[in-house]
Amino acid sequence: GAGVSQSPSNKVTEKGKDVELRCDPISGHTALYWYRQSLGQGLEFLIYFQGNSAPDKSGLPSDRFSAERTGGSVSTLTIQRTQQEDSAVYLCASSLNRQENSPLHFGNGTRLTVT
Amino acid sequence: GDSVTQMEGPVTLSEEAFLTINCTYTATGYPSLFWYVQYPGEGLQLLLKATKADDKGSNKGFEATYRKETTSFHLEKGSVQVSDSAVYFCALSDRYAGNMLTFGGGTRLMVKP
Repeated sequence: GAGVSQSPSNKVTEKGKDVELRCDPISGHTALYWYRQSLGQGLEFLIYFQGNSAPDKSGLPSDRFSAERTGGSVSTLTIQRTQQEDSAVYLCASSLNRQENSPLHFGNGTRLTVT
Repeated sequence: GDSVTQMEGPVTLSEEAFLTINCTYTATGYPSLFWYVQYPGEGLQLLLKATKADDKGSNKGFEATYRKETTSFHLEKGSVQVSDSAVYFCALSDRYAGNMLTFGGGTRLMVKP
């Protein structure tokens, strides 16, 4: 079946512009997670959704970052007034639920380059 | 808070060599432990997991044993192949943190023919 789909796969934007990154989780998965993978660093947790709710937004790096999820399905991560340090691969993952034995399925990511 | 530390790469090995990638963790609760792999140009994939102390996760010839006494989850493979070249991430999931994964920094493995 279809896996987690992210779009665009690559995005180049000018400093100061806003960008939207999209994630289509696996159908029926209630939990959705956003991570950031910066060059030379590990994966940094950003935010997760259970259904349409995001109980913990503390992982978002700044108030320029926001995320929403509608209909318990598609999620959008928005970065306003992008900065060069925002350049990274943004990964989305979904799981059937939030139980620890429910594996996360990752998308291929969106590579964001801010020039 | 929870954290995962793994050996820095790159690790370069010849085909059929023995592989060990060290991973240690710090957690307040009783985490589940994972190894994820990222092949070139692909997304992260779950390689193996262990959910309690002394459990051994295994897949594709890779193994890792959950050692609570040393807070470790080292990844091993007896004979690596060129196709194993990838970045390997150790991670933990704390049941008190709702399946949120905390990752190590990743270790790049390069296997030469």
